[in-house]
Amino acid sequence: KNQVEQSPQSLIILEGKNCTLQCNYTVSPFSNLRWYKQDTGRGPVSLTIMTFSENTKSNGRYTATLDADTKQSSLHITASQLSDSASYICVVSAREYGGATNKLIFGTGTLLAVQP
Amino acid sequence: DSGVTQTPKHLITATGQRVTLRCSPRSGDLSVYWYQQSLDQGLQFLIQYYNGEERAKGNILERFSAQQFPDLHSELNLSSLELGDSALYFCASSVASGGAFVQDTQYFGPGTRLTVL
Repeated sequence: KNQVEQSPQSLIILEGKNCTLQCNYTVSPFSNLRWYKQDTGRGPVSLTIMTFSENTKSNGRYTATLDADTKQSSLHITASQLSDSASYICVVSAREYGGATNKLIFGTGTLLAVQP
Repeated sequence: DSGVTQTPKHLITATGQRVTLRCSPRSGDLSVYWYQQSLDQGLQFLIQYYNGEERAKGNILERFSAQQFPDLHSELNLSSLELGDSALYFCASSVASGGAFVQDTQYFGPGTRLTVL
């Protein structure tokens, strides 16, 4: 069964500190993995997209890593800011056999609160 | 601003009623996706349309239906509404079908908050 699990469920850190969010998946056949940031009550915004051949990808203070062998990904946030407070969602795309579409499997997200 | 627009922003209705949510994709995007996000659940994929045709189906109830029009805007119809249908409904759009281009980024709209009383 295709699944995406994220940890921790929630996290509180102080402004300026770093943090790492985890995503484990059992999705096959794997196509790509995305991290989204979702502010409360707003639509998700894409942070990174990685295919199986990419180990790391950065977007400003956000760095995502992917280990396709262990089926794990992490999102590292450096020098956190108050505006980083949001839900971070890991989404894994599975290519559908014989089809021309990818099926998206969403994690339930990690809720990050950055405190001053 | 993602370029995806959704109307209305908020909708309050009663059980048993029918509502229509509207989405306009980013200029040039051919795919439209609909998602439901309840308070206690993550994003649930409902359905995808590509250039007017249904492309993929997720956990969409039979009471729900969608369509994409020639001008590429899309509507999600929810009927016989139940209390459990109260949620945020997001529309997203992307350039391609999501399969041919593996890095086909989806851009999400601001959502429609539906409250069923």
